Amino acid sequence: DAGITQSPRYKITETGRQVTLMCHQTWSHSYMFWYRQDLGHGLRLIYYSAAADITDKGEVPDGYVVSRSKTENFPLTLESATRSQTSVYFCASSESLGSMNTEAFFGQGTRLTVV
Amino acid sequence: AQKVTQAQTEISVVEKEDVTLDCVYETRDTTYYLFWYKQPPSGELVFLIRRNSFDEQNEISGRYSWNFQKSTSSFNFTITASQVVDSAVYFCALSEARNRDDKIIFGKGTRLHILP
Repeated sequence: DAGITQSPRYKITETGRQVTLMCHQTWSHSYMFWYRQDLGHGLRLIYYSAAADITDKGEVPDGYVVSRSKTENFPLTLESATRSQTSVYFCASSESLGSMNTEAFFGQGTRLTVV
Repeated sequence: AQKVTQAQTEISVVEKEDVTLDCVYETRDTTYYLFWYKQPPSGELVFLIRRNSFDEQNEISGRYSWNFQKSTSSFNFTITASQVVDSAVYFCALSEARNRDDKIIFGKGTRLHILP
């Protein structure tokens, strides 16, 4: 199916465990993004990537690691999960916004609970 | 640094009333892009509109309209004759075009309740 998909949709993990959230897009978009959504904070950018092997920190990168070995995948890893990382995580992708009159397309979100 | 402020945390209006959601942005760039997204109770993020900084035309799409004013760094969103289905969280977002660094920064969102 074409689009952007996140997996898993729901995840419960324990404090201190490593967990990886997956994001896959089929459009070959150059840009990919990870956001977390928390009440009172809206959507905050964790990391983003302009192309394969190029990643940059966003607003709240601490405690997270990303990689982008292939254009279509952008996994987000919590190396040692903490309760403060309980959140809804959204992945998004887009073409270069300056070269195309387009927008970012979002996945359906992953609800992560750290206990 | 780029910043988006949505000062209205939550708004409630009665159905059929008009409502305006405010968005104020900060950027040092002369070229930038503004967006509005809707997040209904089901949780997905739905794109509503994109506005380029060099295009100050206001836009109307059915009951939705957007007022872009560079002089006040605002990109406000108005829903005319609101309906219960408009109940959602609405996000304003900004992307700067510096060095092709297309990160998109969102405001905190405005939760809109349309009361029947």
